[in-house]
Amino acid sequence: GAGVSQTPSNKVTEKGKYVELRCDPISGHTALYWYRQSLGQGPEFLIYFQGTGAADDSGLPNDRFFAVRPEGSVSTLKIQRTERGDSAVYLCASSFQQGREQYFGPGTRLTVT
Amino acid sequence: DAKTTQPTSMDCAEGRAANLPCNHSTISGNEYVYWYRQIHSQGPQYIIHGLKNNETNEMASLIITEDRKSSTLILPHATLRDTAVYYCIVRPTRGVYSSASKIIFGSGTRLSIRP
Repeated sequence: GAGVSQTPSNKVTEKGKYVELRCDPISGHTALYWYRQSLGQGPEFLIYFQGTGAADDSGLPNDRFFAVRPEGSVSTLKIQRTERGDSAVYLCASSFQQGREQYFGPGTRLTVT
Repeated sequence: DAKTTQPTSMDCAEGRAANLPCNHSTISGNEYVYWYRQIHSQGPQYIIHGLKNNETNEMASLIITEDRKSSTLILPHATLRDTAVYYCIVRPTRGVYSSASKIIFGSGTRLSIRP
């Protein structure tokens, strides 16, 4: 079946702009996760949704970052007033239940100029 | 911080078994050992996980020592497509709304398969 999909695959934006990154999880997966990966490093956790609610947002770096999952399926990661340090690959993953193996999407490469 | 220690890099000849070690000396009794890999420019891919017993699936085998302080991921017949960064991770067993469900990645082992 279809895996996790993320759009766009690449996003270039100017410093100070607002961006939205979208994640479509595997159908039927109740848990959804966002990670961020900088060049040469492993992915870093940002936020985890169980259904519609954010169960753990301890990885969000500051209040410019926000994520929603209004219907318990698609999720959007929103970044306000982007900074050059936000440049990274943003990965989304989903799992059938919390704590089970996670399946990752291909990521969105965000470049802030 | 990641709770595992892995070699930074390894290489293996194509067709041979690739054995990737991982130390997790502080693992708790309720924590699983998970392995993921990340091929260049792709998202991480789940490989296998285990608690105490050795596990095998179509991709790999996982050997966990009796004291659970280390493990080895075995790719039985490595191919060029197995070139990737391999992450060894420990995670608690499932709990309702557990904040520990996130994956904490370390730096992983960069595995190169030579023809």
